[in-house]
Amino acid sequence: ETGVTQSPTHLIKTRGQQVTLRCSSQSGHNTVSWYQQALGQGPQFIFQYYREEENGRGNFPPRFSGLQFPNYSSELNVNALELDDSALYLCASSLASLNTEAFFGQGTRLTVV
Amino acid sequence: GESVGLHLPTLSVQEGDNSIINCAYSNSASDYFIWYKQESGKGPQFIIDIRSNMDKRQGQRVTVLLNKTVKHLSLQIAATQPGDSAVYFCAENRDAGGTSYGKLTFGQGTILTVHP
Repeated sequence: ETGVTQSPTHLIKTRGQQVTLRCSSQSGHNTVSWYQQALGQGPQFIFQYYREEENGRGNFPPRFSGLQFPNYSSELNVNALELDDSALYLCASSLASLNTEAFFGQGTRLTVV
Repeated sequence: GESVGLHLPTLSVQEGDNSIINCAYSNSASDYFIWYKQESGKGPQFIIDIRSNMDKRQGQRVTVLLNKTVKHLSLQIAATQPGDSAVYFCAENRDAGGTSYGKLTFGQGTILTVHP
């Protein structure tokens, strides 16, 4: 167990809806990164949050947004859901320094129908 | 964004054999590399990491080799066990100007199956 917890574990949404996914980082970690993992593929970086601000973003549209709270927990919000958004969404926490290992949560399996 | 096909490379070994999983990374500027193990229905689990100023690093039953000349990374698992069966991913980190920016770019993944 990594100490990174995500909720919910599974979720089914309808195309066009909005969804919020949550992540609690490992104790002592102040950086949270979000990844999308489609079936049969490696995780793809969405964005990272540090000190409650976005600190780097991958190739994802603006309808993917996030928040980080003072306790370092984080939310991933996706608006106007599309069928291709169906994936495992992973949260990883780390300590902000040069290249430290990131620990992943179990993920949230999102299905868009 | 980056994308890979659905047909991941596979490696089948017998219990007790040594396994070698290979990975080619894309950016010569990457300076930190990680191997992750992902079991079905779980998030990636950290195995071992290596920085670009090293060629080899050993852990418990695992060794990572880095060849920067050909941008190649390998994971060696000694005395492979059925519990090692999983998908293995390499990941690279392209640190941007000394900040804490930590975008991980994952490789394709390899399915390791260990037969008793």
